[in-house]
Amino acid sequence: DVKVTQSSRYLVKRTGEKVFLECVQDMDHENMFWYRQDPGLGLRLIYFSYDVKMKEKGDIPEGYSVSREKKERFSLILESASTNQTSMYLCASRLSGDYNSPLHFGNGTRLTVT
Amino acid sequence: AQSVTQLGSHVSVSEGALVLLRCNYSSSVPPYLFWYVQYPNQGLQLLLKYTTGATLVKGINGFEAEFKKSETSFHLTKPSAHMSDAAEYFCAVRIPMIKAAGNKLTFGGGTRVLVKP
Repeated sequence: DVKVTQSSRYLVKRTGEKVFLECVQDMDHENMFWYRQDPGLGLRLIYFSYDVKMKEKGDIPEGYSVSREKKERFSLILESASTNQTSMYLCASRLSGDYNSPLHFGNGTRLTVT
Repeated sequence: AQSVTQLGSHVSVSEGALVLLRCNYSSSVPPYLFWYVQYPNQGLQLLLKYTTGATLVKGINGFEAEFKKSETSFHLTKPSAHMSDAAEYFCAVRIPMIKAAGNKLTFGGGTRVLVKP
């Protein structure tokens, strides 16, 4: 079974801090994704990566960056956290080359920026 | 660009009653369609998907959905609700494309289901 692990379940950070959210998957998936989840807005794609060192902006990349140095790990970085980045962050992975393959999600990191 | 609309952010059903969650999409090309479920304090997991072929698809836990191209809909149903169905449900669409951007899933706003005993 695919396992996607997000390093923190809850995080509290201060405005202006640099924040790292880490995600690791154990199934050798090429594609990895970061979404944020907000009530009524569903999931919105921040960034995705289709291979090591490859990344592409999603729908709401402003204020975020990502890093994919190894295939199994995809990091989301908030360069200078702001209160409007308080949200639930979900990481996901999937096998590439097959549009039928589903996304496998981690359990999420709930980030609060004060 | 594709979009997904889920009608009703909250749905309340009695145990044993029909569950109906509505999803409409907009897309310029035939999409792939998905329903995901999120139980409390968990990530999302796939319920069912439509790519090609039979328009009525069956998923896990007794759920099914029907793709209706003429109505641009992909509504999710379950004949008899169980207490364990209390969760948030998300409809999503993917446009099959050659470029990497085609890997993206676009999600609806979600519908939270409450099951009353």
